[in-house]
Amino acid sequence: NAGVTQTPKFQVLKTGQSMTLQCAQDMNHEYMSWYRQDPGMGLRLIHYSVGAGITDQGEVPNGYNVSRSTTEDFPLRLLSAAPSQTSVYFCASRPTGRTNEKLFFGSGTQLSVL
Amino acid sequence: GENVEQHPSTLSVQEGDSAVIKCTYSDSASNYFPWYKQELGKRPQLIIDIRSNVGEKKDQRIAVTLNKTAKHFSLHITETQPEDSAVYFCASSTDSWGKLQFGAGTQVVVTP
Repeated sequence: NAGVTQTPKFQVLKTGQSMTLQCAQDMNHEYMSWYRQDPGMGLRLIHYSVGAGITDQGEVPNGYNVSRSTTEDFPLRLLSAAPSQTSVYFCASRPTGRTNEKLFFGSGTQLSVL
Repeated sequence: GENVEQHPSTLSVQEGDSAVIKCTYSDSASNYFPWYKQELGKRPQLIIDIRSNVGEKKDQRIAVTLNKTAKHFSLHITETQPEDSAVYFCASSTDSWGKLQFGAGTQVVVTP
């Protein structure tokens, strides 16, 4: 199994541009999520999904959209990038929506918005 | 919602010494407390977790303790080695289908 795969690894955007961060998992996990990691602020939940067709907001959802059309994929869309969205983004999955299960993280995407 | 505070933010220890990281949580209904380790440039990985019906759990050189009355839990690393240098995150959740709340992280540096 490849686990959780994120692309791209690095991205530079100009303010106002849009882009999609890709996330795919091959473990048949029901639960997928997106976190952003900023210095001194830990991992903050952006959006999550407990199954195909079901998404919900996390702690910091503004400026981001998600969809879950298949079990495997959970893309994160930045609608109009802002410098405040400069961060490292991690996709994570686990077998079900139950929080007492191990989270499997992708390798991360380092995003810079100029 | 749940709030998790983690201390210290940085910790420097001599190789072979012990390291202790403490987290406090706000919601008394929290019942699951995992710890994730993130090496430089890598993804976070689960190293140990504890549930509210257990007071202590050990796995080789790492252990986690939970004090439900005081609402805090701690990570203990004994006989530290250079490969223990990393950022450690604590987390907690309040129910089976809720959201996992992470602490801000502790940068641990083990010096030879």
